[in-house]
Amino acid sequence: AQSVTQPDIHITVSEGASLELRCNYSYGATPYLFWYVQSPGQGLQLLLKYFSGDTLVQGIKGFEAEFKRSQSSFNLRKPSVHWSDAAEYFCAVFNFGNEKLTFGTGTRLTIIP
Amino acid sequence: KAGVTQTPRYLIKTRGQQVTLSCSPISGHRSVSWYQQTPGQGLQFLFEYFSETQRNKGNFPGRFSGRQFSNSRSEMNVSTLELGDSALYLCASGPQGLYGYTFGSGTRLTVV
Repeated sequence: AQSVTQPDIHITVSEGASLELRCNYSYGATPYLFWYVQSPGQGLQLLLKYFSGDTLVQGIKGFEAEFKRSQSSFNLRKPSVHWSDAAEYFCAVFNFGNEKLTFGTGTRLTIIP
Repeated sequence: KAGVTQTPRYLIKTRGQQVTLSCSPISGHRSVSWYQQTPGQGLQFLFEYFSETQRNKGNFPGRFSGRQFSNSRSEMNVSTLELGDSALYLCASGPQGLYGYTFGSGTRLTVV
């Protein structure tokens, strides 16, 4: 069965600093991977997705993610965070068999001035 | 382009009651999925509909059901509510799930 692990429950970063959120997945075939962001009381917004091809994918709001098959990882990065990036971030893998997204437990990002 | 609309945004129900949540997907999207989000269990898949057919169902009791109409709008129903059903219920739509779902803002259900 597929699974997603986000090892960091909570990360605190200074505004303007770089960010990397970790995601490891387990999936038997080529994974379709996603990063979503959720602000308090809101739904999930799609940041970026990986299907195939270039292992470095660009998303919205200046985010990027790198797919590393050898490490089963899909880490999210941003060179310089803004206070508005404070939110919860979810990594997910799509399962073709049941049209289901399996989410990680999320990483809560706090930005300090 | 309008997003995914879920109504109502907030709901308070009493144990034993039933509730119906509504979801209007993005125009043209035929796949609609529902997820339950709780602090303890995180985001869990409830079911997925495509062209009025339930294609997949998650590991939830039969009290949780849903349907999709010909205009792709979807409803989910929870009968005999329990305290543990308190959660944020998220609806998502897409042309096909593999292209990435667009989520609504959710319905916050509180069971007292």
